[in-house]
Amino acid sequence: GENVEQHPSTLSVQEGDSAVIKCTYSDSASNYFPWYKQELGKRPQLIIDIRSNVGEKKDQRIAVTLNKTAKHFSLHITETQPEDSAVYFCAASRPGGFKTIFGAGTRLFVKA
Amino acid sequence: DAGVTQSPTHLIKTRGQQVTLRCSPKSGHDTVSWYQQALGQGPQFIFQYYEEEERQRGNFPDRFSGHQFPNYSSELNVNALLLGDSALYLCASSFSTGTGNEKLFFGSGTQLSVL
Repeated sequence: GENVEQHPSTLSVQEGDSAVIKCTYSDSASNYFPWYKQELGKRPQLIIDIRSNVGEKKDQRIAVTLNKTAKHFSLHITETQPEDSAVYFCAASRPGGFKTIFGAGTRLFVKA
Repeated sequence: DAGVTQSPTHLIKTRGQQVTLRCSPKSGHDTVSWYQQALGQGPQFIFQYYEEEERQRGNFPDRFSGHQFPNYSSELNVNALLLGDSALYLCASSFSTGTGNEKLFFGSGTQLSVL
């Protein structure tokens, strides 16, 4: 069945360092890959997304890369700040599909 | 512009009872999806409602049912509650493009505890 695996489950970095979160999807028909940030006790919020016709997308300090052949996609956060501390979820959906499959999440700690 | 609103925020029920959760979508959105988020896990898709009908369903039993009203708001009903139904229930709204891959806007969720 459809599955999204996410690694690592926990990531601790020093303020100013970079953080990388990696995901693998099983459904080769998936073509849309959003990333959500969920702060403690708050709702998940879309922070960036990428479609399968693009290999990389950047928005200020965050970037996503997609390798369709390997069915891998990654989130890169540069110059991390304490307010980046949260749980990050990767997700995938297929064309014509109306459900989004989420990874189990990565808890990012940014130490000041 | 109001975002996605859910009620109630917290709910405590006992096994065997029934519960109804409510969701109002973001202004301009016509589609509502429901997700279950267990502690420490990612959201799991329950179902999606569009044009007052269930458009797609995840791997959840028939005890989970829903409804969408003409104003696009939605309800999630869970019958015969089990301890394992304890979770955060998230509603997400979107604007249907007809082709899927819709950007989801989440509500703050309803924390359901089943004792």
